[in-house]
Amino acid sequence: NAGVTQTPKFQVLKTGQSMTLQCAQDMNHEYMSWYRQDPGMGLRLIHYSVGAGITDQGEVPNGYNVSRSTTEDFPLRLLSAAPSQTSVYFCASSYERDRGRTQYFGPGTRLLVL
Amino acid sequence: GDSVTQMEGPVTLSEEAFLTINCTYTATGYPSLFWYVQYPGEGLQLLLKATKADDKGSNKGFEATYRKETTSFHLEKGSVQVSDSAVYFCALRIQGAQKLVFGQGTRLTINP
Repeated sequence: NAGVTQTPKFQVLKTGQSMTLQCAQDMNHEYMSWYRQDPGMGLRLIHYSVGAGITDQGEVPNGYNVSRSTTEDFPLRLLSAAPSQTSVYFCASSYERDRGRTQYFGPGTRLLVL
Repeated sequence: GDSVTQMEGPVTLSEEAFLTINCTYTATGYPSLFWYVQYPGEGLQLLLKATKADDKGSNKGFEATYRKETTSFHLEKGSVQVSDSAVYFCALRIQGAQKLVFGQGTRLTINP
């Protein structure tokens, strides 16, 4: 199993540009999430999904869109990039029947918005 | 709201030293507690977890005990190695919720 994969690894955008961060998992996990990591702030939840066709907002959803058309994929869209969105983005997935709901993280996408 | 407070870093130790990284939490329900580790340039990996009070999670020589009375989940290791150098995150998840609430992370450096 590849686990959770993310592309690209690194991206530079100009303010106002849009892009999609890709996330895929091959573990047949029902739950998928997007976090951003900023210095001194840990990770904060952007959006999450409990299954195909179902998404919900986390604590910092503004400026981001998600969709979940398949169990495997959970792309994150930046509609109009802003310098405040410079961050490292992590996708994670977890299995519904795992009582502790352990999350498995991808390697991350480092985004720089100029 | 739910929150996690970790010991401020960075922490620098010599090889074979004893490690403690403090973690306390505030939660409205009964959380599951986690320690994740992030090695340089990589994503987060689960190090250990505990899902109910008095449970002890352990892995790779690290241990943490879920203490409900002190709302704590301190990470310990008896003898650290250079390869333990990483950033460590304490996190909680409230039962029934999807979201992980993370502490700010503690950077650990082990010198040979």
